[in-house]
Amino acid sequence: QVQLQESGPGLVKASETLSLTCTVSGGSINGHYWSWIRQPPGKGLEWIGYIFSSGSTNYNPSLKGRVTISVDTSKNQFSLKLSSVTAADTAVYYCARLRGSYTNWGQGTLVTVSS
Amino acid sequence: DIVMTQTPLSLSVTPGQPASISCKSSQSLLHSDGKTYLYWYLQKPGQPPQVLIYEVSNRFSGVPDNFSGSGSGTDFTLKISRVEAEVVGVYYCMQTLQFPYTFGQGTKLEIK
Repeated sequence: QVQLQESGPGLVKASETLSLTCTVSGGSINGHYWSWIRQPPGKGLEWIGYIFSSGSTNYNPSLKGRVTISVDTSKNQFSLKLSSVTAADTAVYYCARLRGSYTNWGQGTLVTVSS
Repeated sequence: DIVMTQTPLSLSVTPGQPASISCKSSQSLLHSDGKTYLYWYLQKPGQPPQVLIYEVSNRFSGVPDNFSGSGSGTDFTLKISRVEAEVVGVYYCMQTLQFPYTFGQGTKLEIK
C-alpha cells in the first residue's frame, strides 16, 4: 500500500523560501501525478499544484509564480518550493496522489511563517 | 476556476438519522472520457482528509456503505444513511476535471 510522508522545516522566515519533500513508499512514483495541497489553520483546502513522474507540472495561478514542484524518481520523492513566503502561507501542507481508487494523502506537516 | 459551492455549511444531526450534503459546481464536471471528476472527502479533527467517494458515486476502498454519492453535471450529493459518532467532521467536495483543482468550502457535521 502506497504511503506518503512530508518532511521539511516547520518554521520559515518571511520573504524566504519554503521547501518540503514528500517520500513515497510502498509503490513507485513513476507513471503517476503527485500533488501538493495546503490548509491554513482553521480554514479550507487549496490545491497548490502537481507534477507527473516525467517532470511535467501544473500550478495554481493563485500562487502567482512562487511555486516550483520537482521530482526525483531515483529517490521516489517529489518536492515543493514556495518562494517569498508571508504569514498567509502558514498552513498544513499535504502531499497526495489524487487519482480515483489510487488516491493517497500524507499526514501533513505544519509550516509556520515567522516575521 | 471552477467554483464548488457546498450547502449547508454546518449540519447537526441526531444519531441514527440520515444526513445529506449538496455540492454544486460552476461548470459541468463531465469529461470527454465519460467520467465525472467529483470527489468527496471527510476530514476528522487533527487528521488529513480521507477520500470517501471518487467519480461521483464510487466508494473508496474500506469506506462503509453508510456513505453514498450521486449526481451529474453540476449537481452532486453525499448521503450518510445513518449518522454516528464516527462520521463527525468536515466534509469537502473537490473537482479534478480542470486546473486548478478546487474544493468546496466544507460542511461541518456534528452530532445533536
